[in-house]
Amino acid sequence: KAGVTQTPRYLIKTRGQQVTLSCSPISGHRSVSWYQQTPGQGLQFLFEYFSETQRNKGNFPGRFSGRQFSNSRSEMNVSTLELGDSALYLCASSSKPPSGRRGDQETQYFGPGTRLLVL
Amino acid sequence: GESVGLHLPTLSVQEGDNSIINCAYSNSASDYFIWYKQESGKGPQFIIDIRSNMDKRQGQRVTVLLNKTVKHLSLQIAATQPGDSAVYFCAETKANFGNEKLTFGTGTRLTIIP
Repeated sequence: KAGVTQTPRYLIKTRGQQVTLSCSPISGHRSVSWYQQTPGQGLQFLFEYFSETQRNKGNFPGRFSGRQFSNSRSEMNVSTLELGDSALYLCASSSKPPSGRRGDQETQYFGPGTRLLVL
Repeated sequence: GESVGLHLPTLSVQEGDNSIINCAYSNSASDYFIWYKQESGKGPQFIIDIRSNMDKRQGQRVTVLLNKTVKHLSLQIAATQPGDSAVYFCAETKANFGNEKLTFGTGTRLTIIP
């Protein structure tokens, strides 16, 4: 079974531009979460989608948005890029719905990430 | 605010030796903890998890210890191999919450010396 794929893997943008990142979850997984990873802040939750609906949102400004398609693929968009948006953006897919108690084992599988550099 | 932190940012271990990576957490309400491994150019990979009703859990060559009294978590890797070189970080949450409540540590870089 193929893993989580993210495109593009690397991206360079300038301040003020906007960017769209794509994530294809593991086949059969309907939940997709997005995270930002930086050296200073570590991994931080952006949002989670399930069945084309945003179910949870982290503490990020409205410039960060996302969506999920009927095939569970997800995109995230960052508008009006700032230097501080430079980070590794990770998506993770899961077969577990957002609500409900976790099972015996973590079911979230991460993709390799998209490294975004804002100049 | 609540945070999850790591005692050491880097750790070098001779191949074949055991390694211990530590993590301190501050949210006493957390009852579910996860260790991840992140290799260069890859996303985090689940290693092992533990619930607060346990003190110890073992996997293949890995053991996680939880000390709720001092809010401390550790990951022990036995008989380290070159493939164990990576960044390891812990995460905490409450088991009945979703990913929005996951709080991650910043990571410890483990280097295995051949």
